[in-house]
Amino acid sequence: AQRVTQPEKLLSVFKGAPVELKCNYSYSGSPELFWYVQYSRQRLQLLLRHISRESIKGFTADLNKGETSFHLKKPFAQEEDSAMYYCALSGGYNKLIFGAGTRLAVHP
Amino acid sequence: DSGVTQTPKHLITATGQRVTLRCSPRSGDLSVYWYQQSLDQGLQFLIQYYNGEERAKGNILERFSAQQFPDLHSELNLSSLELGDSALYFCASSATPTGNTEAFFGQGTRLTVV
Repeated sequence: AQRVTQPEKLLSVFKGAPVELKCNYSYSGSPELFWYVQYSRQRLQLLLRHISRESIKGFTADLNKGETSFHLKKPFAQEEDSAMYYCALSGGYNKLIFGAGTRLAVHP
Repeated sequence: DSGVTQTPKHLITATGQRVTLRCSPRSGDLSVYWYQQSLDQGLQFLIQYYNGEERAKGNILERFSAQQFPDLHSELNLSSLELGDSALYFCASSATPTGNTEAFFGQGTRLTVV
């Protein structure tokens, strides 16, 4: 079965602290993985995708096929990073299967 | 602005009623997806269309249906509405139906069933 698991509903950190949002997936094949972000009252937008191996707004994510994980990391959190983060798996026909999401709250 | 337009933004209706949500994809995008976001279920994939044809189906109830028209806009029809159908309904579009293509999301339609 294709599944994305984000074990934390809420991650609360102080500004400047490192952040790691966890994502584990289940997929029989070569996965396409993404992180989407939803700022308050705004639409979902793509943050990054594993295939491009890029860093956006200081966030990076590495696909670990052995651990079936795609954790999102940032060394120093900023208040403007506070948002809802969704890990997603492209499960054929490009439909995106989302995890439940993790709310990141960055406190001053 | 992602270029994906959803109307209406808000909708309040009574149980048992029927509503239609509309989505206009980004210019040139042939693929449209519908998602339901509720507090307890998170983001659930409902259905996908590509160039007018249904491509993939997710957790879509039989009371729900969708279609994509020749001009590529899509409509999601929800009937016999129940309180539990209250949610944010997102539409997304992408250029192609497969592969590592970014999906662009609309701002959603917030449906409240009373």
